[in-house]
Amino acid sequence: QVQLQESGPGLVKPSETLSLTCTVSGGSISSYYWSWIRQPPGKGLEWIGYIYYSGSIKYNPSLKSRVTISLDTSTNQFSLNLSSMTAADTAVYYCARDFGRFGELTNAFDIWGQGTMVTVSS
Amino acid sequence: SYELTQPPSVSASPGQTASITCSGDKLGDKYACWYQQKPGQSPVLVIYQDTKRPSGIPERFSGSNSGNTATLTISGTQAMDEADYYCQAWDSSTYVVFGGGTKLTVL
Repeated sequence: QVQLQESGPGLVKPSETLSLTCTVSGGSISSYYWSWIRQPPGKGLEWIGYIYYSGSIKYNPSLKSRVTISLDTSTNQFSLNLSSMTAADTAVYYCARDFGRFGELTNAFDIWGQGTMVTVSS
Repeated sequence: SYELTQPPSVSASPGQTASITCSGDKLGDKYACWYQQKPGQSPVLVIYQDTKRPSGIPERFSGSNSGNTATLTISGTQAMDEADYYCQAWDSSTYVVFGGGTKLTVL
């Protein structure tokens, strides 16, 4: 079965760029949409953006100026870069798979990684 | 920007029906889904495309979406259903939006 695992630094300094990677195991990264979602401590969920292996990408308009999502089919990984980090970006960051099969975009997320906590602090 | 509003908390007795609402402008024109999140765990999809249950989700979970309100209904609530629940909707103009979450307490 498909599993997702986030990796990256747990601590980022203010103004720096966060780089996270999600490794997809047990299945191919192709033919599905993949998203990044975050959750500040004690708060709700916020969608960051999605990517499809063909190159289709969408970002949350509120983060668009700072976000880059990319995908590498050769390594079965997709990545998140979030620039100009501030304390407000402190959160658990999740990667997730879209429920839709064969390239259908449903924006319902059926498989999630365990999440990685990222703290922004000097 | 588009917003989804959920009550902060809902309570239900074991065996009773729990209903959690999610309100948004013309929400019925969009697809809604629901997630269950227990402390320290990742969210789990329990309803997608308004009314459909993923494989493995108990039949006691059901959903509806009409007008400005989507509703998650848990029939015969069990202690294991105590969790935070998030609604989510999307369309081509709003992209993906989550509600603020509702804490379900099973008394």
